[in-house]
Amino acid sequence: AQKVTQAQTEISVVEKEDVTLDCVYETRDTTYYLFWYKQPPSGELVFLIRRNSFDEQNEISGRYSWNFQKSTSSFNFTITASQVVDSAVYFCALILTGTASKLTFGTGTRLQVTL
Amino acid sequence: SQTIHQWPATLVQPVGSPLSLECTVEGTSNPNLYWYRQAAGRGLQLLFYSVGIGQISSEVPQNLSASRPQDRQFILSSKKLLLSDSGFYLCAWTRDRDTFSGNTIYFGEGSWLTVV
Repeated sequence: AQKVTQAQTEISVVEKEDVTLDCVYETRDTTYYLFWYKQPPSGELVFLIRRNSFDEQNEISGRYSWNFQKSTSSFNFTITASQVVDSAVYFCALILTGTASKLTFGTGTRLQVTL
Repeated sequence: SQTIHQWPATLVQPVGSPLSLECTVEGTSNPNLYWYRQAAGRGLQLLFYSVGIGQISSEVPQNLSASRPQDRQFILSSKKLLLSDSGFYLCAWTRDRDTFSGNTIYFGEGSWLTVV
């Protein structure tokens, strides 16, 4: 069975600080995808990124960057120069390829960015 | 472009009353559809998924049921709600058909259900 662990329950930072959200996953399969979603106070899940298990290139999108390391089964998310609008709950998730399968979510990390 | 919409956004229902949450996807055909639930302060749990009309797979035994009467419509129902059914319900879709092959999974706006 798959498992996703987000050990950080809540993180508080001051605006403009950099922050990294950790995600560690477990699976015996070799083909899978990893996702990050943002859940603002309104509740909807906003897609941020997906990455397949064969692509270990790090990715940067504006202030967001992701570090995927299969050797440590981690897919960490860094926000550079955080802003108040980044305040949300962030979920990491995993899904196996080739199955009529489900996203296995971590329990989420609540990020609070203050002025 | 594709959009997903679910309603109602918020509802308060007494214990023992029925439930119907509806989700529709526009701009695509034959999507895989999902219902997830998020209990307060917890992660998301898959309840049902559907790979086609009338095809429903249940992940968690409970007093909820799902139906897919049309290709892009997914309904979550209950005949008698329990207090433990309270939570945030999210519908999701992916362009993938049957098995997952890498397309993004998009979520609706969610429905807040409080059972009193």
